[in-house]
Amino acid sequence: NAGVTQTPKFQVLKTGQSMTLQCAQDMNHNSMYWYRQDPGMGLRLIYYSASEGTTDKGEVPNGYNVSRLNKREFSLRLESAAPSQTSVYFCASSLTGPEPLHFGNGTRLTVT
Amino acid sequence: DQQVKQNSPSLSVQEGRISILNCDYTNSMFDYFLWYKKYPAEGPTFLISISSIKDKNEDGRFTVFLNKSAKHLSLHIVPSQPGDSAVYFCAASVGGSNYKLTFGKGTLLTVNP
Repeated sequence: NAGVTQTPKFQVLKTGQSMTLQCAQDMNHNSMYWYRQDPGMGLRLIYYSASEGTTDKGEVPNGYNVSRLNKREFSLRLESAAPSQTSVYFCASSLTGPEPLHFGNGTRLTVT
Repeated sequence: DQQVKQNSPSLSVQEGRISILNCDYTNSMFDYFLWYKKYPAEGPTFLISISSIKDKNEDGRFTVFLNKSAKHLSLHIVPSQPGDSAVYFCAASVGGSNYKLTFGKGTLLTVNP
């Protein structure tokens, strides 16, 4: 049982480049989330999808877009990467809104 | 404005002793609290939660205490084991909603053999 799978694990981008972070879950969860974690900071919610077909902004959505491709997959896109987006990105899922989150192992992104 | 505060960046304890991790919050609307544990190069994993209608919740070696009047919660691990060495995040929400979940900065626990 893979749980939440994120790809890639590591990525280095130059300022202005674009990329998409992929996330897939195999637990038949309805809700999916993207978080970022910066040094000395807690996790901050970027976007979430309460159910298939819906997406909403979290605490720090600027510079990102998301797509809930189907019930399993939720991608995060950086259209024009900036050094301030250097971070570790975690995808998570939950059966419903109140259920505990299940996290992937993260993508470490560096923007130079 | 940090609504969930974990004021101790790190804590070191001996194996077999009690570990106490603390968390303070400022938003009086928070009514559901969780602890997540994170090992290096892995994502956080859910550990234990507590609703504001309770003041204590136990799960094996882990107990969470909630003091609503002080806006304070703590996680007790007894006895502590080397495998408990990890970063512990406190999180809080209103109505149990993950869509408005606020995390603290985390406390690194080291359990020495």
